[in-house]
Amino acid sequence: GAVVSQHPSRVICKSGTSVKIECRSLDFQATTMFWYRQFPKQSLMLMATSNEGSKATYEQGVEKDKFLINHASLTLSTLTVTSAHPEDSSFYICSARDGAGNQPQHFGDGTRLSIL
Amino acid sequence: EDKVVQSPLSLVVHEGDTVTLNCSYEVTNFRSLLWYKQEKKAPTFLFMLTSSGIEKKSGRLSSILDKKELSSILNITATQTGDSAIYLCAVGGLTGTASKLTFGTGTRLQVTL
Repeated sequence: GAVVSQHPSRVICKSGTSVKIECRSLDFQATTMFWYRQFPKQSLMLMATSNEGSKATYEQGVEKDKFLINHASLTLSTLTVTSAHPEDSSFYICSARDGAGNQPQHFGDGTRLSIL
Repeated sequence: EDKVVQSPLSLVVHEGDTVTLNCSYEVTNFRSLLWYKQEKKAPTFLFMLTSSGIEKKSGRLSSILDKKELSSILNITATQTGDSAIYLCAVGGLTGTASKLTFGTGTRLQVTL
């Protein structure tokens, strides 16, 4: 089955640090990847759609200068949380879809980000 | 705005019981409805239902899509403690050329001995 790898699984860092999270599709090519954020006991909220070779599409209310997304290849997308603050602490999850069309999204294991 | 509502929010059952989880939706240009299971980490894919595949079954789990009622159910028979998890329903809609999922808040299922 489709496998998505996300790294790192956990980050603890000081306020003001920038943190990069990687999302890789291991056995398929993903023209589109998605970045979600999940607060405790809440559902997944889509932050942005990452498109290979073009700019990401951000959801309303998500600061694109704060959450930088790069999708440089068909198997890798990165999310950089710039100048992170305690309110950015959350569980960040990426997903990828195999090719175009109506295929299910498969999720990485998520990154738990804690900003002190 | 696309909307997905799941019920119940939480459920506690005894091992061996059968449970039915519900999902209703309002979405622009419906394409698919997906069920995921989330334990401690990220969601794992269970089923995808579309207009051409409204019923799916895998072992003790099965799901049906009712496009007329804009809803779906996920059934789990002979529940086991390993079924304890949050079950998420997500609906795929198409806005322009963008296809994305909208998630419900999930049903937290706890199976006790």
